Amino acid sequence: GENVEQHPSTLSVQEGDSAVIKCTYSDSASNYFPWYKQELGKGPQLIIDIRSNVGEKKDQRIAVTLNKTAKHFSLHITETQPEDSAVYFCAAGANQAGTALIFGKGTTLSVSS
Amino acid sequence: DAMVIQNPRYQVTQFGKPVTLSCSQTLNHNVMYWYQQKSSQAPKLLFHYYDKDFNNEADTPDNFQSRRPNTSFCFLDIRSPGLGDAAMYLCATSAGTGGDEQFFGPGTRLTVL
Repeated sequence: GENVEQHPSTLSVQEGDSAVIKCTYSDSASNYFPWYKQELGKGPQLIIDIRSNVGEKKDQRIAVTLNKTAKHFSLHITETQPEDSAVYFCAAGANQAGTALIFGKGTTLSVSS
Repeated sequence: DAMVIQNPRYQVTQFGKPVTLSCSQTLNHNVMYWYQQKSSQAPKLLFHYYDKDFNNEADTPDNFQSRRPNTSFCFLDIRSPGLGDAAMYLCATSAGTGGDEQFFGPGTRLTVL
């Protein structure tokens, strides 16, 4: 089955710096790669996702890149702000009935002002 | 707004006393998921329903059961909660497969005394 590894487990940056979180996956059938942000006491919220037919996607300060050959994808946050502090999860999924997303173990991002 | 609703947000039960957590959705999605999330960990999939088809994860304890009486509602029953079952329980929905966006509810924080 699919296995998703996420690094680093914790990341501390200064406000205004960039943050990068990396994930690798094992199942070549996976073709959907979302990133979720979870704030304390809340459910995960989708912040950006990418499908395997594209290599990069941007949404304001957030971008995701995908390398299908190497089976890895990364989240990039530029100009970080204190409100970006949260736990970020990557996940991988496939367009197959009966399957579910497989999550990485999460990265705790702390942005200090 | 279309959404995933979980009730209650906080639930306290006694060791061994059955408890039921509730999830409802207005998205009309085919799939509903239940996750268990312990502190500083990734969400762990317990089971999911594709319409009325129940899919149990291999390592989900028998103590955990689920019911989906209709498209909109799904319940998580913990028959005899132990101290180790204290966690955040997240409900999520998606249109169809692991390749579809998942929408999470806010979660129910379960405390076992």
